[in-house]
Amino acid sequence: AQSVTQLDSQVPVFEEAPVELRCNYSSSVSVYLFWYVQYPNQGLQLLLKYLSGSTLVKGINGFEAEFNKSQTSFHLRKPSVHISDTAEYFCAVSDLGSGTYKYIFGTGTRLKVLA
Amino acid sequence: GAVVSQHPSRVICKSGTSVKIECRSLDFQATTMFWYRQFPKQSLMLMATSNEGSKATYEQGVEKDKFLINHASLTLSTLTVTSAHPEDSSFYICSASLGLAGRDTQYFGPGTRLTVL
Repeated sequence: AQSVTQLDSQVPVFEEAPVELRCNYSSSVSVYLFWYVQYPNQGLQLLLKYLSGSTLVKGINGFEAEFNKSQTSFHLRKPSVHISDTAEYFCAVSDLGSGTYKYIFGTGTRLKVLA
Repeated sequence: GAVVSQHPSRVICKSGTSVKIECRSLDFQATTMFWYRQFPKQSLMLMATSNEGSKATYEQGVEKDKFLINHASLTLSTLTVTSAHPEDSSFYICSASLGLAGRDTQYFGPGTRLTVL
């Protein structure tokens, strides 16, 4: 079965420092990959997605992610974080083989930006 | 574009009552809507997939008689928690995809926090 692993449950980082949030998935078939951000008591907002094409994907708020098929990873990066980036970040995978376009979510990474 | 709303945002009810949560796609037609449940500080668990005009497909372990889903139109899906109990207290989030051509990406509502006393 498809699974998504976000190894870091919490990542503290100082303001203006770079950050990488890790995401690995298990699948032997083609997938779509997504990163969403959730602010407290709110729904999820799409940061970026990989469907096909260039493996480096740029999203909103200065975030980017790189799809690495051989390592089955889709890590999220930002070169310089702001206090306002403090939130929960979820990686999600949609298994094209299932035909249902359902998402499997990782357990989330709480990014805390320190002043 | 691609805005999804939910109503209510927060509801408190007594044990044994039923609660209806609405999910609307405001500026697009959503062939498919999804319902998730999120426990505190945990990930989203898919409850069911709802296609307009047909019965919802429930995930394993989700009681279809307890969580009634109706997708009556291309812009509205409802989740009714019947005979709610304290263990049903949770954050319920819906999402919608942009029809067949855009079904790869889900757009999420702001969520509904249900508290059952």
